[in-house]
This record gives sequence, structure tokens and C-alpha cells, in this order.
Amino acid sequence: NAGVTQTPKFQVLKTGQSMTLQCAQDMNHNSMYWYRQDPGMGLRLIYYSASEGTTDKGEVPNGYNVSRLNKREFSLRLESAAPSQTSVYFCASSQRTGPSSYNSPLHFGNGTRLTVT
Amino acid sequence: QQPVQSPQAVILREGEDAVINCSSSKALYSVHWYRQKHGEAPVFLMILLKGGEQKGHEKISASFNEKKQQSSLYLTASQLSYSGTYFCGTPPGSGGSNYKLTFGKGTLLTVNP
Repeated sequence: NAGVTQTPKFQVLKTGQSMTLQCAQDMNHNSMYWYRQDPGMGLRLIYYSASEGTTDKGEVPNGYNVSRLNKREFSLRLESAAPSQTSVYFCASSQRTGPSSYNSPLHFGNGTRLTVT
Repeated sequence: QQPVQSPQAVILREGEDAVINCSSSKALYSVHWYRQKHGEAPVFLMILLKGGEQKGHEKISASFNEKKQQSSLYLTASQLSYSGTYFCGTPPGSGGSNYKLTFGKGTLLTVNP
């Protein structure tokens, strides 16, 4: 099984350019997430989708938009990239939804390393 | 609110033991533990639920003390393969949903031969 697949693996953008990070999971999971990881900061939640058709903001949503295209796919869009968005972006998914979701592990993709110059 | 991990980094020789702590200023319903090797994705280790239960994975175990609002990860007889950064993650308060799982800043574990 592929698990969680992210594309692209690497990307370099100039300030002001836009791009979409793609994520797909083949585990039939309900919930999907986008995190960014910066040195010394841990993983910070950008947006999440509890189930197909819903999305909500995490800790650091400014400058990003998301689309839950279907149950499998969850994309992250940078409309006008800024150097502060240079980071490693991880997509993740988990099976359960609702009140019992706290005991459902996250499965991460391999990340997208984004540099904005 | 971000959980606090300690220590920030630890260096071991193969076969030595280590403890990594994760504490929170708010009530905890569960604690997740993940390991991330350099340049790779975080990988799930275990989830600790309310009740102080201890779980294990290989020679790695963990405890969860909900009264003290903390969890500890125990690495016994460490192996070279244990090297990496360990993260704890905690869901928000009442309700326990892990949608907004908040991670600590991580503990870098280095195991040398």
C-alpha cells in the first residue's frame, strides 16, 4: 500500500508565485491534515479536514487555502508565496472521526520541501 | 497549547536507557508518540489513553499520568535504530478530538555505537 502520497517532493518558488501541494491517501481514512515543520518548532497544524466535505483552520492558517477534493485527496494552496512559508510540509491522515478520534493515529506522507526566495 | 518536551536532546551509547518527558498545562485525554528519522516522515509509535496505562513498542514503552498531565517515553537498551527526533502530540481539551493534535518541539535522540 502506498499510504499517504505527497507531490511534489521539492519545490522552489519566487515570492508572490502560487502553487498547490497535492496529497492523496489510499487507506480509506476519514480525516486529513496539513502540517508544516520548521527547525526547533515541531509540527504545526495548518488546516485539517475531519471528513469529506469539511475543512477547518489549525494553528497557522494564514496565507494558505485547502480543498478536500474527495475522500482520498486533500490539497494545500499557497496563493502568494512568502519567504516565511519556506518549510517542510507534511500531509497526514487518520481513520476515525468524531469523539473517539483522539485514539486514532496519524499516518504521514513523506513531505514536500518548499523554498520561497 | 503546545506540550513541553524534555530534554531537548540526549546522546546515548548503544545499550543505554533514556527517558523523554512530555508535559501539558491543560488536562490530557490522550498522548501520541511519534519518531522521525532525519529527512523522513514522522512515524507513529503509540497512543496513551486516560487511566495511566503503559504501552510498549519493541523495547520502547510509555506511561501516562493524567493527574500530573504528563507522559514519559522509556527507551530501554537503546539500539542505533532508535536515533531520531521523538515528538509527543496532545489533543485539545474537553471532547478529546484529535483533529487539532498539537505537537511538542521534539527531543533529538542520538545513539552512538
